[in-house]
Amino acid sequence: DVKVTQSSRYLVKRTGEKVFLECVQDMDHENMFWYRQDPGLGLRLIYFSYDVKMKEKGDIPEGYSVSREKKERFSLILESASTNQTSMYLCASSFFRDYYEQYFGPGTRLTVT
Amino acid sequence: AQSVTQPDIHITVSEGASLELRCNYSYGATPYLFWYVQSPGQGLQLLLKYFSGDTLVQGIKGFEAEFKRSQSSFNLRKPSVHWSDAAEYFCAGGDNYGQNFVFGPGTRLSVLP
Repeated sequence: DVKVTQSSRYLVKRTGEKVFLECVQDMDHENMFWYRQDPGLGLRLIYFSYDVKMKEKGDIPEGYSVSREKKERFSLILESASTNQTSMYLCASSFFRDYYEQYFGPGTRLTVT
Repeated sequence: AQSVTQPDIHITVSEGASLELRCNYSYGATPYLFWYVQSPGQGLQLLLKYFSGDTLVQGIKGFEAEFKRSQSSFNLRKPSVHWSDAAEYFCAGGDNYGQNFVFGPGTRLSVLP
């Protein structure tokens, strides 16, 4: 079974803090994704990576950065957290040839106060 | 702009009853279409996908969906709902290899015993 794990299920941070969200997959997938999920808006892609050190901006990259130093690990970084970044963050991964066959982690619910 | 809409925010059905969740898309050409399910506290799981060919698509957990070009719809159906089907369901659409990949806002399904 594919496993995508995220470092925290719940996280509370203060405005201005630097926040790291970690995601690890164990299926040797080339693609990894970070999404943000908000009620009534569905999922929105923040960043996508198709290889180590490679990244592509998604629909809402502002205020976020990413890091992929190893194939199995993809980090989302909030350089200076703001209250409007309070949300559910979902990580996903897929094989390069099957972009849409994405496997999702359980999510991290981030609250910025 | 490409979009995917799900007109129903919340649907309640009785266990054993049939189910239809609506999804409409707006794309220039025929998009790739998907249904995902998110059970409480879990990540999203791909239920089924339509790329081309037969317009009736079978998925996991007894679900099926029908692509209707004339109605720009891709509705999800199940003949008999089980209590474990209570979850949030997302329709999504995209072009070739991740272009314009958009999720709908989701429909929450409640199942009455």
